Amino acid sequence: ETGVTQTPRHLVMGMTNKKSLKCEQHLGHNAMYWYKQSAKKPLELMFVYSLEERVENNSVPSRFSPECPNSSHLFLHLHTLQPEDSALYLCASSRELRLERTGELFFGEGSRLTVL
Amino acid sequence: KQEVTQIPAALSVPEGENLVLNCSFTDSAIYNLQWFRQDPGKGLTSLLLIQSSQREQTSGRLNASLDKSSGRSTLYIAASQPGDSATYLCAVPRENYGQNFVFGPGTRLSVLP
Repeated sequence: ETGVTQTPRHLVMGMTNKKSLKCEQHLGHNAMYWYKQSAKKPLELMFVYSLEERVENNSVPSRFSPECPNSSHLFLHLHTLQPEDSALYLCASSRELRLERTGELFFGEGSRLTVL
Repeated sequence: KQEVTQIPAALSVPEGENLVLNCSFTDSAIYNLQWFRQDPGKGLTSLLLIQSSQREQTSGRLNASLDKSSGRSTLYIAASQPGDSATYLCAVPRENYGQNFVFGPGTRLSVLP
């Protein structure tokens, strides 16, 4: 079992659908992240949460809505997406947010999203 | 603004060969640098984390070095195996806040049997 679990692994949705991606970390970490990985583009940070509070929103369109109910769970709610939003969405966690204490980033397996 | 580049973009080697992957970053004021491995369609697996005070880290057949002043890191893989085939990414913090890593585009490695 990996330390960071993402569901679903694959998701196909229409532009008018509403769906959610789920991430759960079993590492006791205090910081969680959503990254987007598109074809032939470097990973892009979307959101950062520290102790359930959002600390960064990296200019992400409002059709992506994150939720962090507790330090172990992170959701990404999706609605009225566009075909260009098709990508691999990766969740990650780290021990803390402060760089000098953070240590490593641990990633989940990702959720492959296809928007028709 | 921190920018990360990796060369080569792709590399194909025969099994057993030693190889070096390169990572360059523009802002040398970093706290750490992390190397990851990514298999196709999968998430990232952390390989090595080098703190800014360190010059190198080793894990098994992997050795990563860091030269902050020149803005460079190398990942050395000894005695490569077909199972090492993957994309290797390096990442450094974007600014002196938070864990907003800037990722390089990656090096796609193929180790041929």
